[in-house]
Amino acid sequence: NAGVMQNPRHLVRRRGQEARLRCSPMKGHSHVYWYRQLPEEGLKFMVYLQKENIIDESGMPKERFSAEFPKEGPSILRIQQVVRGDSAAYFCASSPDRESTYGYTFGSGTRLTVV
Amino acid sequence: GENVEQHPSTLSVQEGDSAVIKCTYSDSASNYFPWYKQELGKRPQLIIDIRSNVGEKKDQRIAVTLNKTAKHFSLHITETKPEDSAVYFCAARSVGNEKLTFGTGTRLTIIP
Repeated sequence: NAGVMQNPRHLVRRRGQEARLRCSPMKGHSHVYWYRQLPEEGLKFMVYLQKENIIDESGMPKERFSAEFPKEGPSILRIQQVVRGDSAAYFCASSPDRESTYGYTFGSGTRLTVV
Repeated sequence: GENVEQHPSTLSVQEGDSAVIKCTYSDSASNYFPWYKQELGKRPQLIIDIRSNVGEKKDQRIAVTLNKTAKHFSLHITETKPEDSAVYFCAARSVGNEKLTFGTGTRLTIIP
């Protein structure tokens, strides 16, 4: 079991560019969660998705950020027109079902640096 | 929504001594409380969790206690080792709400 796979591990973007972060959940997991971690801070919930559905996006900024989890392929977190404040580690987690007995398994994260 | 507070923010403990990290939560409907350990530059890893139908759970040197009435839960690490040095996060999840709400983290340093 390869675990939750995130890529790229590191991403550098200039201000105004787009960032695309990918997350493949663990095999058999159908729930994906995205969290953002600013330097020296905790994990902030962004969005919860199931296949082809956004279930809870209460933590997503209203502008420039979007997420999807298509029927085929990985979940994508997309940040348009990046700004310096978007620099952070973005972690994806997956679980097999609602209120999973085993909690979340996190990926290794994507560290986004905006220059 | 749920609010989780975590104390202390930093903790230094002599090797071999015990470390205790405490969290409080606001939503009385929360029923699942995991703890994560994050080493520098790495992913958060689940180390122990507890559900609201039990008051204590132990796994070797790590234990978690839950007081539902007071809405607080704690992580206890005994016989600490240098490899226990990391940032620890508590979290809570409510019934019918899949997202975890995390505390702000405790940076634990074990002094050899």
